[in-house]
Amino acid sequence: DVKVTQSSRYLVKRTGEKVFLECVQDMDHENMFWYRQDPGLGLRLIYFSYDVKMKEKGDIPEGYSVSREKKERFSLILESASTNQTSMYLCASSSPPAEEKLFFGSGTQLSVL
Amino acid sequence: KQEVTQIPAALSVPEGENLVLNCSFTDSAIYNLQWFRQDPGKGLTSLLLIQSSQREQTSGRLNASLDKSSGRSTLYIAASQPGDSATYLCAVLNSGYSTLTFGKGTMLLVSP
Repeated sequence: DVKVTQSSRYLVKRTGEKVFLECVQDMDHENMFWYRQDPGLGLRLIYFSYDVKMKEKGDIPEGYSVSREKKERFSLILESASTNQTSMYLCASSSPPAEEKLFFGSGTQLSVL
Repeated sequence: KQEVTQIPAALSVPEGENLVLNCSFTDSAIYNLQWFRQDPGKGLTSLLLIQSSQREQTSGRLNASLDKSSGRSTLYIAASQPGDSATYLCAVLNSGYSTLTFGKGTMLLVSP
């Protein structure tokens, strides 16, 4: 079975801190995605990547950056965390073509105080 | 811009009932549609994927249909069980794009 692992289930950070959210998949998937999920707003795409060292902005990239140095790992970076970035963050991966199933990690609930 | 709507937002049924969840989308030019399940505080699990050329997909007690021309999909759950309680989301992959557009989900509660 495909496994998408997010490094933390719960994270509490202070405003202004630099935050790293890590995601690792074990199925050699080319495509990886970062979403955030908020009540009433649903899932929103932050960034995605179709290959190592490649990244594309999603719908809400402001305040975030990403890194994909290795195929299996896709990191989301909050350069200076703010309270409006408190959210559930979900990582996902899939193999090309893009029409294939999307596999999600368990999520990281981030609270920024 | 593609928009995906799921109705109802919440549904409560007694155990054993058959039920239908609805998903509609505004742009019929899609590659496929996926139905996901999400348990509270967890990630999403893909249940069924229907390609644009298909009319339906089945997995166990779940059956998903797709009517691309009318911009609608339904997820049918037969003989519902308390373990089916979760939020169900649909998502479409748009032609010419490479990312999914999600609905906001239907929260299902199946009571024993």
